[in-house]
Amino acid sequence: QSALTQPRSVSGSPGQSVTISCTGTSSDVGGYNYVSWYQQHPGKAPKLMIYDVSKRPSGVPDRFSGSKSGNTASLTISGLQAEDEADYYCCSYAGSYVVFGGGTKLTVL
Amino acid sequence: EVQLLESGGGLVQPGGSLRLSCAASGFTFSSYAMSWVRQAPGKGLEWVSAISGSGASTYYADSVKGRFTISRDNSKNTLYLQMNSLRAEDTAIYYCAKDVYSGAAAVFDYWGQGTLVTVSS
Repeated sequence: QSALTQPRSVSGSPGQSVTISCTGTSSDVGGYNYVSWYQQHPGKAPKLMIYDVSKRPSGVPDRFSGSKSGNTASLTISGLQAEDEADYYCCSYAGSYVVFGGGTKLTVL
Repeated sequence: EVQLLESGGGLVQPGGSLRLSCAASGFTFSSYAMSWVRQAPGKGLEWVSAISGSGASTYYADSVKGRFTISRDNSKNTLYLQMNSLRAEDTAIYYCAKDVYSGAAAVFDYWGQGTLVTVSS
């Protein structure tokens, strides 16, 4: 049950695009299409942003998109806005357990 | 409106026990899997345990297997986490989270506000 690997931090200027990667194994990310992404602002509960690799819940801006290739999933945020500054976590179903990534801090410059 | 309200957190000595509860409302509780996810101070999210909508299937992280027990009472719309043999490393905010699916697929569309568990002497 090893954590998924995410970059510790990424940054971008308003209006730019950033991509956060999430690398796992064939037992989790590569084996199932149940990859989800969560946004967490300081002191708040996480919020679902992407699920089933690339689906967006109602209310999440279409600036947020997800994809997967092999054992690596990615979250892309286009048209960066100040309110996007937060921690982002990927998560994958792995059969008999669930695994999160270590989290990525997004800084909007 | 979906609401998840955790309770039962607090300060407990190493080796002690605590039971967390999560009262759910605004959805058909028995139709969805539920999970507990924790976050140690200043750290990332860690999945702890999951239970299917019927309660027939349960799943645990290796770090808590044999010490924690997840359960649910669908007649009371309440999720529980019995935590025994607590260790300092169990100190965290514990969130209950609703799954999008009835089986545990790790897609959490609603989260509670969390309850803080502190294990210290």
